[in-house]
Amino acid sequence: SQQGEEDPQALSIQEGENATMNCSYKTSINNLQWYRQNSGRGLVHLILIRSNEREKHSGRLRVTLDTSKKSSSLLITASRAADTASYFCATDATQNTNAGKSTFGDGTTLTVKP
Amino acid sequence: DVKVTQSSRYLVKRTGEKVFLECVQDMDHENMFWYRQDPGLGLRLIYFSYDVKMKEKGDIPEGYSVSREKKERFSLILESASTNQTSMYLCASRPWTGRGYTFGSGTRLTVV
Repeated sequence: SQQGEEDPQALSIQEGENATMNCSYKTSINNLQWYRQNSGRGLVHLILIRSNEREKHSGRLRVTLDTSKKSSSLLITASRAADTASYFCATDATQNTNAGKSTFGDGTTLTVKP
Repeated sequence: DVKVTQSSRYLVKRTGEKVFLECVQDMDHENMFWYRQDPGLGLRLIYFSYDVKMKEKGDIPEGYSVSREKKERFSLILESASTNQTSMYLCASRPWTGRGYTFGSGTRLTVV
């Protein structure tokens, strides 16, 4: 089963609004990653946040990590129609002996209406 | 720009055929992965490899095998294609933990 679970499953907003997606996980982690997937394409790595970090920014993206709640959020500010995609979180569990293998969530589908 | 290249974007094969999906990365990454993605089921790991000639089963290895003879190339083999293997197949690579995956563009395989 997937450790990461995104919430909501689907999100529809107007261009210019902010979009917030959440990811919860079950076990202790070394890091958490966020990816974007445009329809019919591969995933694109957006940002990685380590377990000792609380917040990270990249352009219009802001990621927070709360290890006490085992949750992360991805905020996209001033959204654009081009942000329409599915967004996935993935985690590297601390106890994972298969170094390099992350566990992916099921994704949030974001639709940004022009 | 670093890349993971999958040999085909779309592929149509007949039931019972042996199918090869090829993946090449140019980043000297140790780890390579094959996932399949189906609506409502998310990404499911088929096989991964952490070194040349090394492979480990993922969550759904049945009906698949892999080959990694060179560091940059990771092949997925469907021994005898079946209709339930119709799916989007995604190859990815990454260095040891601490950095994210780089994915290929995917191969949409249809088995008829």
